Amino acid sequence: DTEVTQTPKHLVMGMTNKKSLKCEQHMGHRAMYWYKQKAKKPPELMFVYSYEKLSINESVPSRFSPECPNSSLLNLHLHALQPEDSALYLCASSQLDRGTTDTQYFGPGTRLTVL
Amino acid sequence: AQSVTQPDIHITVSEGASLELRCNYSYGATPYLFWYVQSPGQGLQLLLKYFSGDTLVQGIKGFEAEFKRSQSSFNLRKPSVHWSDAAEYFCAVRNNAGNMLTFGGGTRLMVKP
Repeated sequence: DTEVTQTPKHLVMGMTNKKSLKCEQHMGHRAMYWYKQKAKKPPELMFVYSYEKLSINESVPSRFSPECPNSSLLNLHLHALQPEDSALYLCASSQLDRGTTDTQYFGPGTRLTVL
Repeated sequence: AQSVTQPDIHITVSEGASLELRCNYSYGATPYLFWYVQSPGQGLQLLLKYFSGDTLVQGIKGFEAEFKRSQSSFNLRKPSVHWSDAAEYFCAVRNNAGNMLTFGGGTRLMVKP
């Protein structure tokens, strides 16, 4: 089973709202990722958690706040977003076998619209 | 720094025709290469991957890809395209640490009936 689940599927929020995106995997993977994807573009890496610790932050604005409560869950807390933050947010996970067969598996994404 | 180029932004093929999507990579060491497919509004599904060994790799849905080190290429092929193959296809290269995927710009495949 290579399933990554994400909730909600769609989210509409105002610029003053606070919301959270959730991601879950039960494959025993030790790395989890957040990507942002704008229309007709490839995914852009935002954050990487390795062994539940934030290992990469690609200079993402502080209005995006990631959290990894345990090895199976990954959240993305959103606050004071801008309309240009509207995008498809993708979660992925991988086993994190160093330099070998590590493969990222993606969830279906959350379509975020900021009004 | 690693990079991936997909020269074709759009490709249109007739149903039943063969398909080849091009991917060129730049990476200093042994590349770890992937092809993903994305239907509109959906996540990315892994089609196939190359780490080492046989340079012709088989994937799901009848796709295959050939790694050619001399050409820095990893082209995706399918002998007979189905209408359901219409989607966006992304080639990607992964670093040795395993935590960074670099994607190409994507190729949008359209299938004519």
